[in-house]
Amino acid sequence: QKEVEQDPGPLSVPEGAIVSLNCTYSNSAFQYFMWYRQYSRKGPELLMYTYSSGNKEDGRFTAQVDKSSKYISLFIRDSQPSDSATYLCAMSERDDKIIFGKGTRLHILP
Amino acid sequence: EAEVAQSPRYKITEKSQAVAFWCDPISGHATLYWYRQILGQGPELLVQFQDESVVDDSQLPKDRFSAERLKGVDSTLKIQPAELGDSAMYLCASTRQYSETQYFGPGTRLLVL
Repeated sequence: QKEVEQDPGPLSVPEGAIVSLNCTYSNSAFQYFMWYRQYSRKGPELLMYTYSSGNKEDGRFTAQVDKSSKYISLFIRDSQPSDSATYLCAMSERDDKIIFGKGTRLHILP
Repeated sequence: EAEVAQSPRYKITEKSQAVAFWCDPISGHATLYWYRQILGQGPELLVQFQDESVVDDSQLPKDRFSAERLKGVDSTLKIQPAELGDSAMYLCASTRQYSETQYFGPGTRLLVL
């Protein structure tokens, strides 16, 4: 079992819909949780960063961490065609390397 | 806004040839990372530098890959000889000391024929 599991998709949703992206993990020592967005042929761009459990909101994006279930989510409200990209979850222990999921390809249909 | 710079953006080479990639991190970022990202996968760490010192190179195939950051600023990743399986995106990232937030460059896409 990989440390971080993420459904590769693709996930296609109509413009304006709420998108839910998820990852599960096995290492209970992970404390830092991140979501990166990666457009085709570009490097990943940090979207959200969360320490420990709870929710964090930034504009149309909400990140949730449930450490008891070892499950993290990213919600995108009022999705736009420009949100079409690959979304990578990532996590790490304190002062340790970051482990990335495989990424979920998201298509927002106009 | 400061960015991580990488060059070249694209590289096509034949197997058994040598290739080199360059990365210039964001100014003041002490920690530099090289990742390899195979199509459809997440980035996997190859090597981590703290200033000019290697912190983690446990996943670097040292028989053919080498990395250096001589003055603790920019860095070079080399592959010699390249193999077909090395075709991937090579990403550089940097972060301030004691920060978990990594900033990625645009990557170098390598194709080995």
